[in-house]
Amino acid sequence: AQKITQTQPGMFVQEKEAVTLDCTYDTSDQSYGLFWYKQPSSGEMIFLIYQGSYDEQNATEGRYSLNFQKARKSANLVISASQLGDSAMYFCAMRGPSGGSYIPTFGRGTSLIVHP
Amino acid sequence: DAGVTQSPTHLIKTRGQQVTLRCSPISGHKSVSWYQQVLGQGPQFIFQYYEKEERGRGNFPDRFSARQFPNYSSELNVNALLLGDSALYLCASSLEQGDQPQHFGDGTRLSIL
Repeated sequence: AQKITQTQPGMFVQEKEAVTLDCTYDTSDQSYGLFWYKQPSSGEMIFLIYQGSYDEQNATEGRYSLNFQKARKSANLVISASQLGDSAMYFCAMRGPSGGSYIPTFGRGTSLIVHP
Repeated sequence: DAGVTQSPTHLIKTRGQQVTLRCSPISGHKSVSWYQQVLGQGPQFIFQYYEKEERGRGNFPDRFSARQFPNYSSELNVNALLLGDSALYLCASSLEQGDQPQHFGDGTRLSIL
């Protein structure tokens, strides 16, 4: 079974500073993918970044980067130069082969508040 | 191009009633998944459909059912509603079954009185 753990219920960061949101995972699959989604108060889940288990380089997408440490089973999201619009819930998720269903498992989320 | 659209946006029901939620995937997407997100938690997988067939089912009671139509739109049905069914119901689509990431709609907020 897959499990995602996000231990930070809430995080605060000053505008223009960098922030790291923690995510650890557990799986017996050798092939898997890790995702981060942003959920504003409006409700929709916005895809931010993806890391495959066999990717050798850490994924980056603009101000978002994923610090992937496979041995530690961690996939932390780093947001550089925080903006007020980054205030939202952030969810870490993973998917594995799981019999071919590719069903993602989500963590409980971290609430990020960016202060001006 | 339109994203994933869900209807209705909000819904209020009473215990014991039945509800149908609707989802239209992004044009060309063949896979649709449904999630339940209770306040303060991450989304929990309910169903996945691909080419009109159920390809995955989460740990939800038989009161929950779904189907996918030839145009790839989907409906989620919940019977005998309980207070605990109050949640945001999210629909997500992808081109193929295993494609990631999935693209999510804005969800339907269901409140049970």
